[in-house]
Amino acid sequence: EADIYQTPRYLVIGTGKKITLECSQTMGHDKMYWYQQDPGMELHLIHYSYGVNSTEKGDLSSESTVSRIRTEHFPLTLESARPSHTSQYLCASSEPGQGAADTQYFGPGTRLTVL
Amino acid sequence: KNQVEQSPQSLIILEGKNCTLQCNYTVSPFSNLRWYKQDTGRGPVSLTIMTFSENTKSNGRYTATLDADTKQSSLHITASQLSDSASYICVANDRGSTLGRLYFGRGTQLTVWP
Repeated sequence: EADIYQTPRYLVIGTGKKITLECSQTMGHDKMYWYQQDPGMELHLIHYSYGVNSTEKGDLSSESTVSRIRTEHFPLTLESARPSHTSQYLCASSEPGQGAADTQYFGPGTRLTVL
Repeated sequence: KNQVEQSPQSLIILEGKNCTLQCNYTVSPFSNLRWYKQDTGRGPVSLTIMTFSENTKSNGRYTATLDADTKQSSLHITASQLSDSASYICVANDRGSTLGRLYFGRGTQLTVWP
């Protein structure tokens, strides 16, 4: 069982609200990732980080932003939620120094519904 | 275009039976291929990872195969259990960047009936 946590697990919120999805890991991993997944569809990378103060946008354009002030913490923020943001958001981290073959450990996900 | 396709989209089998899930990928340059298990409402959990030089890898009742020439992989589940009901996701990794970009399939939804 991976030591990576996400809160909240479920969130229902109205349009225009600002939200922050929390992700934390206790494994000391440098690399962290945010994915978006719709039902029956593949995961899409929206943000990643190589370490503290490092953040990059992923393959899928997203209106969300991320920060990495501490190694263990990688929160995702939506300044103004819209119904199109309704999705499952998965956070992951991977072990340092293993290049392209590193295994990603996923959190349980946050199911976001924007009304 | 780099992509991963899985078949079947869904599968129902009886408890105790075996099954095989298929994955075709067009990722290039290819580095490795992973199979993940994702329970409903949970994050994916890694089952196997194989580099381009490996042909097979087992993890308990799960056995993955890889043919890098035909760009195909399969995941064989032996003596299925109710707890095997989940989505199985094939993920191909390229060697084109330091990040090692991952390409995810849409998964095969497996349901095991008693």
